[in-house]
Amino acid sequence: AQKITQTQPGMFVQEKEAVTLDCTYDTSDPSYGLFWYKQPSSGEMIFLIYQGSYDQQNATEGRYSLNFQKARKSANLVISASQLGDSAMYFCAMREENDMRFGAGTRLTVKP
Amino acid sequence: DAGVTQSPTHLIKTRGQQVTLRCSPISGHKSVSWYQQVLGQGPQFIFQYYEKEERGRGNFPDRFSARQFPNYSSELNVNALLLGDSALYLCASSLLRGGVYGYTFGSGTRLTVV
Repeated sequence: AQKITQTQPGMFVQEKEAVTLDCTYDTSDPSYGLFWYKQPSSGEMIFLIYQGSYDQQNATEGRYSLNFQKARKSANLVISASQLGDSAMYFCAMREENDMRFGAGTRLTVKP
Repeated sequence: DAGVTQSPTHLIKTRGQQVTLRCSPISGHKSVSWYQQVLGQGPQFIFQYYEKEERGRGNFPDRFSARQFPNYSSELNVNALLLGDSALYLCASSLLRGGVYGYTFGSGTRLTVV
């Protein structure tokens, strides 16, 4: 069963503006971790941000923040002040016991 | 510190052949996981190894196998290759087996089956 859903196959944003990438998840485990990864065309998965299920505050890492709404089971990524180098695939993932499950990804294109 | 290293970076195989992919985790990381990423999709979990034992297996046929060595490096083997096995194979290492720790990924091995 699909556990991570990213409903936006592609997104466009103007340089220097903010963009939100959506992610919803499904789990019955009270302890889990949510992650966002960036994958440029080179293929490497680059860790961006992490949110634990028991964390009270939304995670932030520089220009990245995670809008965590536990009751709604959503973990949206917000990128502020977009840069041309942010153009890439973005994957939401959830870690449970023995594996990490990924969504289908969102391709972000930053326009100059 | 070296990150997760995978070899080879690219390879081309013929249908029916066998392939071995290699992964060296970050020093000190005891858990290695393998993922298959078909073009246009998210990575799909294949295996997790921790302390040289298989701890998790995804929904892949028995043609896929793996092992972890005493130095925590790992190999992924795929037998009787099919065209559909063409994908980017990602290896990831983490400090612990479970919990909420994330993974560090390698750059992947791009396998093309012709």
